[in-house]
Amino acid sequence: TQLLEQSPQFLSIQEGENLTVYCNSSSVFSSLQWYRQEPGEGPVLLVTVVTGGEVKKLKRLTFQFGDARKDSSLHITAAQPGDTGLYLCAGEETSGSRLTFGEGTQLTVNP
Amino acid sequence: DTAVSQTPKYLVTQMGNDKSIKCEQNLGHDTMYWYKQDSKKFLKIMFSYNNKELIINETVPNRFSPKSPDKAHLNLHINSLELGDSAVYFCASSPLWGETSTDTQYFGPGTRLTVL
Repeated sequence: TQLLEQSPQFLSIQEGENLTVYCNSSSVFSSLQWYRQEPGEGPVLLVTVVTGGEVKKLKRLTFQFGDARKDSSLHITAAQPGDTGLYLCAGEETSGSRLTFGEGTQLTVNP
Repeated sequence: DTAVSQTPKYLVTQMGNDKSIKCEQNLGHDTMYWYKQDSKKFLKIMFSYNNKELIINETVPNRFSPKSPDKAHLNLHINSLELGDSAVYFCASSPLWGETSTDTQYFGPGTRLTVL
C-alpha cells in the first residue's frame, strides 16, 4: 500500500497570511487529487494533477505536482477564514484505481 | 437534488448490536465506495462496487457486509458492533472504474457511528 504523508498536520494562521501544505510519498502516483472537508460534510474535490511538474491555480490556491510524481503541494495566498477546513491529498496508484488518502492537514484561519 | 445521500446522519448504538447504513447516488455513476474516517481524520477505503459487483475489499472484518441492490445504492451492514467501529463512514461514487485516468469521487455527508 502506497502511503501519503501530509505536513503539517495542524496549521493555525491569521487572515491574510500565506501557507503551504505538503503531500509526500516514496511511491509514484499516476495522479493526485486535493480535497477539502468541512465539519459535518464529506470531502469535496478541489483539483486533480496528472502530469509531473504540473501547476494548477484555483483563485488563491496553487497546486503543484512534483516532477517525479511522488509529491504535491498546496499553496494558499492571503488566507481567509472561509479557507478553514481539513485538506486531504489523495493519490491514484494507476489510472482508474483506488485512491489512497493522506492523513490530512487541519487548517484554521483566524479573522 | 442531493447527489450522494446517506442515512442516518448519526447512529448511536450499543456494543453487540447489528446496524445498517444506507447510501444512494442520483448521479448515474457506475462505481460506489465506502470509506471509514477515524478520530484522527484518516480516510481509508473499505469497499468498492462497480455496477453492483464487488471490486475492492480491503482488510475489513467480515462483520462488515456491503450490499448493492442496484448501481445507485450501496448499503453497509455491520454485525456485532464493537467499540472500535466508532467512526464516520462516508459513501462516495464516481462515474467510471479503470477506464480513464482520475475519476472524481463525490462523497456523501457521512454517518457518524458511535458504539457505546
